[in-house]
Amino acid sequence: DVKVTQSSRYLVKRTGEKVFLECVQDMDHENMFWYRQDPGLGLRLIYFSYDVKMKEKGDIPEGYSVSREKKERFSLILESASTNQTSMYLCASNGGTGELFFGEGSRLTVL
Amino acid sequence: RKEVEQDPGPFNVPEGATVAFNCTYSNSASQSFFWYRQDCRKEPKLLMSVYSSGNEDGRFTAQLNRASQYISLLIRDSKLSDSATYLCVVSDTGNQFYFGTGTSLTVIP
Repeated sequence: DVKVTQSSRYLVKRTGEKVFLECVQDMDHENMFWYRQDPGLGLRLIYFSYDVKMKEKGDIPEGYSVSREKKERFSLILESASTNQTSMYLCASNGGTGELFFGEGSRLTVL
Repeated sequence: RKEVEQDPGPFNVPEGATVAFNCTYSNSASQSFFWYRQDCRKEPKLLMSVYSSGNEDGRFTAQLNRASQYISLLIRDSKLSDSATYLCVVSDTGNQFYFGTGTSLTVIP
């Protein structure tokens, strides 16, 4: 069974803290994605990566960075968390064609 | 203009009813089309891919009209367990996906 695993389901952080969200997939997929999902706004793409050490900005990259040192792992970094980054963060992967597979999501609250 | 547009609903239907969701997309070069289901506070999961010839999976039927850039999902004999948000998803190259904001369905006993 295919699996995308996100490291933390729920996090509470303070404004200004650095936040790491990790995502691991076991399907040898080339493409990995980070989205955030907010009520009424749907899923918005933050960053994606189509290969190791490669990254592309999505629609809302400001305030975020990513790292992909190994094919199976794609990390999202909030250098200095702000309250407007309170959201559900979803990692996904796909093999170039076909469907996206999602992780269970990381619900981040920034106080 | 949004890449993918859906009626957000909510749709509240009685058990056993038939309900249809529609979705339009703006990029005529889009290649792949999907319906995802998302339960409350959970991740989206693939319900079905949508093919040009139309496809059916049990009570669910998906249709694609490339000329009108329109996708539909029909659910027959609705069950309580069908209550969820249904996301229309469109892809162009395989590494760019565009999501509708979702249509909320509640099936009422």
